[in-house]
Amino acid sequence: AQSVTQPDIHITVSEGASLELRCNYSYGATPYLFWYVQSPGQGLQLLLKYFSGDTLVQGIKGFEAEFKRSQSSFNLRKPSVHWSDAAEYFCAVGEGSYIPTFGRGTSLIVHP
Amino acid sequence: EPEVTQTPSHQVTQMGQEVILRCVPISNHLYFYWYRQILGQKVEFLVSFYNNEISEKSEIFDDQFSVERPDGSNFTLKIRSTKLEDSAMYFCASSRDSPGDEQFFGPGTRLTVL
Repeated sequence: AQSVTQPDIHITVSEGASLELRCNYSYGATPYLFWYVQSPGQGLQLLLKYFSGDTLVQGIKGFEAEFKRSQSSFNLRKPSVHWSDAAEYFCAVGEGSYIPTFGRGTSLIVHP
Repeated sequence: EPEVTQTPSHQVTQMGQEVILRCVPISNHLYFYWYRQILGQKVEFLVSFYNNEISEKSEIFDDQFSVERPDGSNFTLKIRSTKLEDSAMYFCASSRDSPGDEQFFGPGTRLTVL
């Protein structure tokens, strides 16, 4: 069975600071990997996904993520956070399926 | 920009009642999905639907649940006899040509079972 771990429930950063949200998965083969964002009152929006190929994936809104097989990780990064990035972020894994299994989410708080 | 819409935004019902949650997927999309998120918990996959039939479903999607595409635009989730533990946010999503395409999510319907 697959599982996704987002070890940080909340992350607080200052506007303009860099950001890294952690995600670890447990799955034997190469999974499909996703990051979604959910703003208050809205549905989930796909930031980026990894199916194969280059392990550094560029997404929307200036986000990127790197698949590291040796660490079973798919951490999300952004070099400079904007106040509008405050939201809930979900890592998700697909095990031989494009249907994502979601992590519990990390709430990002951005201080001015 | 096309988007997935869901109605109602909030539904309150009594335990044992039937509820129908409605979704209008993006018009040229072929794959449709329902997810739910119990407060404070993970988003969980319920079911996917393609070509007028269920293509995949999770263990959560038992006989109490059903999905339907009654016309060319709506996609519904029915819960026959609601339980307290069905209280959750229910998200509809759609993708264009295959499950590997990006899934676009609606804003969700908050279901409260009393």
